[in-house]
Amino acid sequence: DSGVTQTPKHLITATGQRVTLRCSPRSGDLSVYWYQQSLDQGLQFLIHYYNGEERAKGNILERFSAQQFPDLHSELNLSSLELGDSALYFCASSQGGVETQYFGPGTRLLVL
Amino acid sequence: GQSLEQPSEVTAVEGAIVQINCTYQTSGFYGLSWYQQHDGGAPTFLSYNALDGLEETGRFSSFLSRSDSYGYLLLQELQMKDSASYFCAVPGYQKVTFGTGTKLQVIP
Repeated sequence: DSGVTQTPKHLITATGQRVTLRCSPRSGDLSVYWYQQSLDQGLQFLIHYYNGEERAKGNILERFSAQQFPDLHSELNLSSLELGDSALYFCASSQGGVETQYFGPGTRLLVL
Repeated sequence: GQSLEQPSEVTAVEGAIVQINCTYQTSGFYGLSWYQQHDGGAPTFLSYNALDGLEETGRFSSFLSRSDSYGYLLLQELQMKDSASYFCAVPGYQKVTFGTGTKLQVIP
């Protein structure tokens, strides 16, 4: 158990809908990272927040957005969902350095 | 930009040693990380090399050569539970780029 929690574990929704994925980092970690992993693919970096501020963006679609709240939990919002958005979404946390990240169990999103 | 290359699949026998290579091209380099991911599971941090040389952690070791833009993960005394995907990753400024992963299958 990494200490990072993500909810929900599974999510099934329809095209065009909007969903929110939630992540709570390990106690004391200020950084939260979001990744997308499609079937048999590597981890695609989406976005990084540090202590409430956006620090870096990867290949994140305009339909996706994220934020980190004062209690350091983070939410990833996915809107106008398409079939291709079906994937595993992981969040990870670290104390500050990017080289060592602790991953949550992931949210498996299925868009039908 | 950053790009990393790893073999897609490796098969090894239980009890043997296996090496998973990673070559990288980066615009700025801080070090090389390795993660393990079992099917359906979360990636787990294994090691980080900031300097050239070999870092050993139990049965796992990781090596880095900055001059060759190359690193590897060495797994010794392979166990069936080591069957998983292994990702090398390059930390950059405020983000990490992951390789596409090497699927290791350990056979009896």
